[in-house]
Amino acid sequence: GENVEQHPSTLSVQEGDSAVIKCTYSDSASNYFPWYKQELGKRPQLIIDIRSNVGEKKDQRIAVTLNKTAKHFSLHITETQPEDSAVYFCAAKESGGYNKLIFGAGTRLAVHP
Amino acid sequence: GAVVSQHPSRVICKSGTSVKIECRSLDFQATTMFWYRQFPKKSLMLMATSNEGSKATYEQGVEKDKFLINHASLTLSTLTVTSAHPEDSSFYICSARAGTEETQYFGPGTRLLVL
Repeated sequence: GENVEQHPSTLSVQEGDSAVIKCTYSDSASNYFPWYKQELGKRPQLIIDIRSNVGEKKDQRIAVTLNKTAKHFSLHITETQPEDSAVYFCAAKESGGYNKLIFGAGTRLAVHP
Repeated sequence: GAVVSQHPSRVICKSGTSVKIECRSLDFQATTMFWYRQFPKKSLMLMATSNEGSKATYEQGVEKDKFLINHASLTLSTLTVTSAHPEDSSFYICSARAGTEETQYFGPGTRLLVL
């Protein structure tokens, strides 16, 4: 089955800097990769996703890149703000079956003013 | 759009009792719902996949007789923790997906404390 690894586990940046979170996956047939943001005690919220037919997707300060050959994808946040502080989870959709999502272990991002 | 609700938001119960958690899709029909468990500062652990009108598919290591899942309609799935024990205390989150769409929308979660 699919296995997703996520790094780093914690990330601390100064306000205005960029933050990059990286994930690798094992199932070459996976074709959908969402990113979720979870604030303390809250539900995970989808912030961006990418499908395997594109290599990059942007939404304002957030971008995701996908390298199918290397089986890794990354989340890029530019001009970070304190409200970006949260736990970010990457996921890969497992091929076959009920297309469940396999989540990475999460990255705790702290943006300091 | 794509709102998922969960009830209750938190519950405290005694050991040995059963607790039912509801997950509802408010503005779309959810053919598939997923139940996750999340420990403090940990990732989302999939417990089971629930399809409307059929039996749930449980992940390895999850006791189906302990965590009963029912998905009787396209907008409601329930998780019942039977004979709860303190080790069942956790944050339980559901998610829902419409039809063949890939995006999963999460509920707000239920914090269960078993005394």
